[in-house]
Amino acid sequence: EVQLQESGPGLVKPSQSLSLTCSVTGYSITSSYRWNWIRKFPGNKLEWMGYINSAGSTNYNPSLKSRISITRDTSKNQFFLQVNSVTTEDTATYYCARGAPDYWGQGVMVTVSS
Amino acid sequence: DIQMTQSPSFLSASVGDRVTINCKASQNINRYLNWYQQKLGEAPKLLIYNANSLQTGIPSRFSGSGSGTDFTLTISSLQPEDVATYFCLQHNSWPRTFGGGTKLELK
Repeated sequence: EVQLQESGPGLVKPSQSLSLTCSVTGYSITSSYRWNWIRKFPGNKLEWMGYINSAGSTNYNPSLKSRISITRDTSKNQFFLQVNSVTTEDTATYYCARGAPDYWGQGVMVTVSS
Repeated sequence: DIQMTQSPSFLSASVGDRVTINCKASQNINRYLNWYQQKLGEAPKLLIYNANSLQTGIPSRFSGSGSGTDFTLTISSLQPEDVATYFCLQHNSWPRTFGGGTKLELK
């Protein structure tokens, strides 16, 4: 069974970088699919942030393009999210998800606060 | 970006009721719409893909319809375990965009 699990710090200071890891089991991230990061803000609005595909190419939401980077470690079957210069507006629950998406992780809550 | 307007935001219904949730796209998205269910503290679950295809393992009381700009998720007979938040996602174009969600509770 495909499983995704997000991990990372729950608290980040304003102006710093937010870094999260998505660990995937049950499927190789190099086989197929786009591997996405999605976030849900307080108030429940959802935003698709970007993806890295099985070949390693990326595509980002233009609203975030200058601040985010999605990378991967194929040896560990993990992919990563980095968001630079965070503000309180980046406080959200962050999800990683496969493809359409069909499989999602449970999410990790990240608070940006001093 | 394509705007997805979901309604209602909140819905209260009784066990056995027929429930409908709507999503309207700001432009034609063909049939590239998915529906998800999210229970508190859990990962979102794909219910319906491409507007009307039932994901494997999802009960047949869930169905989807629509094309173009107007879409509907129907629960034919509400069960207690269906209490959750439901949201739609368009995957016709980038960036992907979501509906605002519908919180479904039991009356």
